[in-house]
Amino acid sequence: KAGVTQTPRYLIKTRGQQVTLSCSPISGHRSVSWYQQTPGQGLQFLFEYFSETQRNKGNFPGRFSGRQFSNSRSEMNVSTLELGDSALYLCASSLGLILAGGSNEQFFGPGTRLTVL
Amino acid sequence: KNEVEQSPQNLTAQEGEFITINCSYSVGISALHWLQQHPGGGIVSLFMLSSGKKKHGRLIATINIQEKHSSLHITASHPRDSAVYICAVTYRGGSQGNLIFGKGTKLSVKP
Repeated sequence: KAGVTQTPRYLIKTRGQQVTLSCSPISGHRSVSWYQQTPGQGLQFLFEYFSETQRNKGNFPGRFSGRQFSNSRSEMNVSTLELGDSALYLCASSLGLILAGGSNEQFFGPGTRLTVL
Repeated sequence: KNEVEQSPQNLTAQEGEFITINCSYSVGISALHWLQQHPGGGIVSLFMLSSGKKKHGRLIATINIQEKHSSLHITASHPRDSAVYICAVTYRGGSQGNLIFGKGTKLSVKP
């Protein structure tokens, strides 16, 4: 089974621009979550999508948005980039359902490293 | 105050040593995750547990729900175990992807 893929892997943008990152989950997984990792704040939850609906959102400004398509692929968008948005953006996929006695383990992608100049 | 606390922040060990990393959290959870992150960024999920103990190879994870505490043990450590180990929790009533992370423990195993 192919793992979680993220594109692009590296991205350099300038302040004020916008960026779209893509995440393709493991086949059969319906939940995709996005996380931001910075040296200062560590890993922080951005949002989670399940069956094309945003199920939960972290404490980030409205410049951060996302969506999920019918094939479970997800995109996140950051508008009006700021220097502080430079980070590693990780997505993770899971089945998204609580299965009796089962696991809802998160499988992480390799991340997209965004640099804002 | 971080809701998920890990200790130690940094750990250096000699090959073969027994290693313990600790994680404490402050509220009720539905699951606790132990993650491993190698240089370059990729994260691998090692364990997801809500009670008791799990073992995979040389890795053992335990959780004490009453004390809100979990430990990750590595037996017979090896240089390839060098990585950052991150504890994360899903709060009770929260969605599964809404993880709250600890700051991580950077482990370096010397040959």
